Amino acid sequence: GDSVTQMEGPVTLSEEAFLTINCTYTATGYPSLFWYVQYPGEGLQLLLKATKADDKGSNKGFEATYRKETTSFHLEKGSVQVSDSAVYFCALSAGNDMRFGAGTRLTVKP
Amino acid sequence: DVKVTQSSRYLVKRTGEKVFLECVQDMDHENMFWYRQDPGLGLRLIYFSYDVKMKEKGDIPEGYSVSREKKERFSLILESASTNQTSMYLCASSLTPGPGDTQYFGPGTRLTVL
Repeated sequence: GDSVTQMEGPVTLSEEAFLTINCTYTATGYPSLFWYVQYPGEGLQLLLKATKADDKGSNKGFEATYRKETTSFHLEKGSVQVSDSAVYFCALSAGNDMRFGAGTRLTVKP
Repeated sequence: DVKVTQSSRYLVKRTGEKVFLECVQDMDHENMFWYRQDPGLGLRLIYFSYDVKMKEKGDIPEGYSVSREKKERFSLILESASTNQTSMYLCASSLTPGPGDTQYFGPGTRLTVL
């Protein structure tokens, strides 16, 4: 079945460092891909998404490109801030439901 | 803005109790979902509903049931709570079925079963 694999955490970075969180997927159809973020004590909220190959989703300085040839959707940010500390989930949807990765906890230190 | 609310942020129940978790969305969304979130496992789908009185099993429906009597409200029921149901429960909604549709999440209910 459809699934998502993302890099295990936790990830700890200093402020202004470059961030990459890897995400690869397995799907039989043509899924849409998502990154969700969960701040402490809150539910998940959409960070960005891409609905077809080569699309780039972007929001709040984060970017991810839908790569069909490598079945990947890696999340990147050029300069992280303390306020980016959260858990990040990669997800795919090819039908009525959504499949989530295990989540990657990011801590950014000042 | 879409708002999804859940009846409790924290809940403590005893083994064998019947537990109701309520979720309400205010944007006339067709689809509603219940997930549980456990460390290292991400989110796992328990049940979802694409219309009033309709429900579909997700990946882990055992020990749970759901009710959707009104479009805006989706309830998760633990018929006889057990300690292995201690978890964070997240409700979500989306406007329509379809792979591109964003799900909007509530803040979660952290349930502890003693």
